[in-house]
Amino acid sequence: NAGVTQTPKFQVLKTGQSMTLQCAQDMNHEYMSWYRQDPGMGLRLIHYSVGAGITDQGEVPNGYNVSRSTTEDFPLRLLSAAPSQTSVYFCASSYVSRDRGGEQYFGPGTRLTVT
Amino acid sequence: GNSVTQMEGPVTLSEEAFLTINCTYTATGYPSLFWYVQYPGEGLQLLLKATKADDKGSNKGFEATYRKETTSFHLEKGSVQVSDSAVYFCALRASGGSYIPTFGRGTSLIVHP
Repeated sequence: NAGVTQTPKFQVLKTGQSMTLQCAQDMNHEYMSWYRQDPGMGLRLIHYSVGAGITDQGEVPNGYNVSRSTTEDFPLRLLSAAPSQTSVYFCASSYVSRDRGGEQYFGPGTRLTVT
Repeated sequence: GNSVTQMEGPVTLSEEAFLTINCTYTATGYPSLFWYVQYPGEGLQLLLKATKADDKGSNKGFEATYRKETTSFHLEKGSVQVSDSAVYFCALRASGGSYIPTFGRGTSLIVHP
């Protein structure tokens, strides 16, 4: 199993540009989510999904879109990048049922800088 | 709502010292409890977990016991190494239908030779 993969590892954008961060998992997990990690702020949930076709907003959804067309993939789109979106982005997945483990599997992260 | 409180860092220790990182939680019912570790430049990975009261999770010399009476899940290691330098996150998954985890803010551990 590759686990959770994310691309790209690093990205520099100019203000106003758009881009898509890719996330894929091969563990057949129903639940997938996106977090951003900023110094001193811990992990903040952006969007999450409990299955194909189902998405919902987390704590900090503004400026980001998601879709879930397959169980495996959960891309995060930045519509018009702003310097405040400079951060490290993590994708995570898990089973919905706590009885099947409950723990989150994280990708290696995408380090995004917006100038 | 659910919450997880961790001691603030950084925690700075010498090699072979004893480590404790405190974690307390607020949740209804019987949550599952987790410790994750994040090494520099990497994503979080599961370190250990406990799913019911009095369970002890252990891995790589780290241990934590699920204490329902004190709503705590403190992380301990008897003798830390330089390679343990990382950020440690305490987390819970609530019982019932909830599948969104709650994370603490993370505690940075720095171990000097």
